Amino acid sequence: QKEVEQNSGPLSVPEGAIASLNCTYSDRVSQSFFWYRQYSGKSPELIMSIYSNGDKEDGRFTAQLNKASQYVSLLIRDSQPSDSATYLCAVSSGGSNYKLTFGKGTLLTVNP
Amino acid sequence: GAGVSQTPSNKVTEKGKYVELRCDPISGHTALYWYRQSLGQGPEFLIYFQGTGAADDSGLPNDRFFAVRPEGSVSTLKIQRTERGDSAVYLCASSFAGANNEQFFGPGTRLTVL
Repeated sequence: QKEVEQNSGPLSVPEGAIASLNCTYSDRVSQSFFWYRQYSGKSPELIMSIYSNGDKEDGRFTAQLNKASQYVSLLIRDSQPSDSATYLCAVSSGGSNYKLTFGKGTLLTVNP
Repeated sequence: GAGVSQTPSNKVTEKGKYVELRCDPISGHTALYWYRQSLGQGPEFLIYFQGTGAADDSGLPNDRFFAVRPEGSVSTLKIQRTERGDSAVYLCASSFAGANNEQFFGPGTRLTVL
């Protein structure tokens, strides 16, 4: 059973702080890694994808991947109350690029 | 452009009934996926289409679940003899084919089996 593990939270940060979200995965052959944001009652929204080791920045978001440690993270700089949501880590599994295994998500609350 | 659309947004049915859930992918996306999400869980993979054919249906829980995509665009997920445990949000996603498989989700159909 391929697994993706995330702390369920809640993770609470003050407005303007950096939020750090972490994810570990068990499938060593995974090639594609994604972060989705999900507001309560809504569907997941893709915010970042990363495929190679290192950092990838997009605006206030930075994804970090370490395949040797089977670890992927998401940093959110200058956190805003509108960032309050559940963040889902998704990893391609089974040697494919299309089949995603999701973690249970981390609930982030940004306090004004 | 338009995103993935799903109908209906909500479906309430009785145990033992048949339901159909529809997904219309983003124009130009050849790959289509169905996932199921229960409360407090991440989405769970059900089936993947590349074009008209189901390339991977390993996530379908049993033979009561079936999906089609006859013209390579719209897909229908069909559930026979529904059970209360089938209650969940059914999510459809689509993507371009290829190595960088960014999947974009529709709004989902909330299925409630009474």
